[in-house]
Amino acid sequence: DAGVTQSPTHLIKTRGQQVTLRCSPKSGHDTVSWYQQALGQGPQFIFQYYEEEERQRGNFPDRFSGHQFPNYSSELNVNALLLGDSALYLCASSLRQSKQYFGPGTRLTVL
Amino acid sequence: AQSVTQLDSQVPVFEEAPVELRCNYSSSVSVYLFWYVQYPNQGLQLLLKYLSGSTLVKGINGFEAEFNKSQTSFHLRKPSVHISDTAEYFCAVSDLLSSNTGKLIFGQGTTLQVKP
Repeated sequence: DAGVTQSPTHLIKTRGQQVTLRCSPKSGHDTVSWYQQALGQGPQFIFQYYEEEERQRGNFPDRFSGHQFPNYSSELNVNALLLGDSALYLCASSLRQSKQYFGPGTRLTVL
Repeated sequence: AQSVTQLDSQVPVFEEAPVELRCNYSSSVSVYLFWYVQYPNQGLQLLLKYLSGSTLVKGINGFEAEFNKSQTSFHLRKPSVHISDTAEYFCAVSDLLSSNTGKLIFGQGTTLQVKP
């Protein structure tokens, strides 16, 4: 049984560009959350998707948007990239309010 | 709003010695508490959680934590550490409302360095 998978593993972008990160939840899970982990910091909640809708959002600007597909996979989009967006982006999946399982993350570097 | 403070950024310890990683939280409402471990280049793995009931919680890999409501603390302990315990440890909270969505508030992390 595959756990949470994320792609790509690493990504390098330049300021002003747009990026899309992808997450496939653990089999049987229907809820996906996204977190940003800056270097040396704890993860910060970006938003969560359930039934293809954003259910809760953290303190992130509108440049951060997401989507959940009917197969429960999810995308995180970031527009107009800033240097400060460089971080490890973690996806976590769960079955509604049950235990969350985290993926290995996507390392985004903005130059 | 909730916040989490991990009191030590780094904790060096010799193999087979006991260790305590400290976590304090702030919240105006009841919370759920968690400890996660992150090994290099990996995602987060849940060690243990406190939801209700007994204040002493046992987790995986021989770790345990004690919830102290009066001191708003949730310290993580292990009586004898192994080299393989070297990792980053995160304390996290979730209030009862956010628990419906699973939103977690994390501390800044503590690096546990186990030396031979």
